[in-house]
Parts: sequence; structure tokens; C-alpha cells
Amino acid sequence: DIQMTQSPSSLSASVGDRVTITCQASQDISNYLNWYQQKPGKAPKLLIYDASNLETGVPSRFSGSGSGTDFTFTISSLQPEDIATYYCQQYDNLRLTFGGGTKVEIK
Amino acid sequence: EVQLVESGGGLVQPGRSLRLSCAASGFTFDDYAMHWVRQAPGKGLEWVSGISWNSGSIGYADSVKGRFTISRDNAKNSLYLQMNSLRAEDTALYYCAKATVTSLVYWGQGTLVTVSS
Repeated sequence: DIQMTQSPSSLSASVGDRVTITCQASQDISNYLNWYQQKPGKAPKLLIYDASNLETGVPSRFSGSGSGTDFTFTISSLQPEDIATYYCQQYDNLRLTFGGGTKVEIK
Repeated sequence: EVQLVESGGGLVQPGRSLRLSCAASGFTFDDYAMHWVRQAPGKGLEWVSGISWNSGSIGYADSVKGRFTISRDNAKNSLYLQMNSLRAEDTALYYCAKATVTSLVYWGQGTLVTVSS
């Protein structure tokens, strides 16, 4: 099974800061990597699909990059409404794996 | 509007069974793969199982393989998860989700399963 290592597990940043989260796959997953945002008490929301594609309606301050085993998720200018936990997820022929999550807080 | 409504959760004793359902609407159900994802209280997301549009391909997490069975009824626009031999560690909020190739685009609000004596 493909394992996903996400880091950091939590971070604290100021409004307007650039925030970066990384995800590493245990084997080559091409660009089959997605990023989700989950706010407390809510279902996850897809933000980025196929490593770098912005889901419709998602603000452009969110972006993703990478391929193979190493991936990055960036919030270019952190906003108060971005407080949430973020997860990466890989796809391998109907088998999915999520990263452990990154809790983003405001400093 | 896409809607996914899970049901069937509740309190169940260890070793017993439970069947979850997910009623889908607002899209052509039999065009899409579907998945179950769970989240234990205060923990991260864990993929449970996925099924292709025609039930021809099915996958399970190692943690549930042999105990859980995913199925779908395209005529009823419904997804199911039969959970047998339940354990305390299966306690979680169970989400059903609509897949678009590699990602989970729409999620239900979840149904809570609590396994406890």
C-alpha cells in the first residue's frame, strides 16, 4: 500500500503569511495527488486535484505543485477563513490514502 | 444539486453488524465510482472502501478487509457498506463520497458509528 507522509502536523502563522505544506508518497504516484480542506464539524472540501489544478470556485491563493513522490500545497496569503485542517490524498486504482493532516492556526 | 445522504449509523456492541446506506441525487449515479471514508473522533481521514461505477472493481483498506463489504444499487441510486465483526476502533463518522477519476468531489455529512458495550 502507498503511504503518504504529510508535514508539518500543525502550524501557526500570521494573516498574510505564505503557508506551505508538504506531502511525500512512499512510491511514484505521478500526479494523482489531491488536497482537501476540512473545517471543524464539516465534511472535507476538495481544493486541488491532480497535484496542481484548482477546483472550481476555490480562491487562487491556494495552489499545489509536484509530481512523482514529492508534493507541495501553498496558501500564498493566509486569511482568517483558512483556519482548518488540510489533507493530501493519493489515488491508486480505486485505493486511496490520506496524509495525516496539517492543522493551520492563526498566530 | 449533488446530494449525498448517509444513514444507518448508531450504537452497536463489539462483534455485531451494521449496514450503512448513502442515498445519492443530483447526478447520474451510475457514471461514477463511490467511496466510503471515515474519521474517528479527533483524528484524521481514513479511506475505507471504494467501488467502480459498475461494481466491477472494489477496494478495501487493510483495516476492514474481510469484515466490511461495499456494494451499490444503481437502480436505487444508493451506496452501501455492510460492516461485520465491528470493533471499538471502527468508531467513527462515516462519509460517502462521489469520485471524479482520482478525487472526491462531493461528500455527504456523515453518519456516526459507535462501537461500545
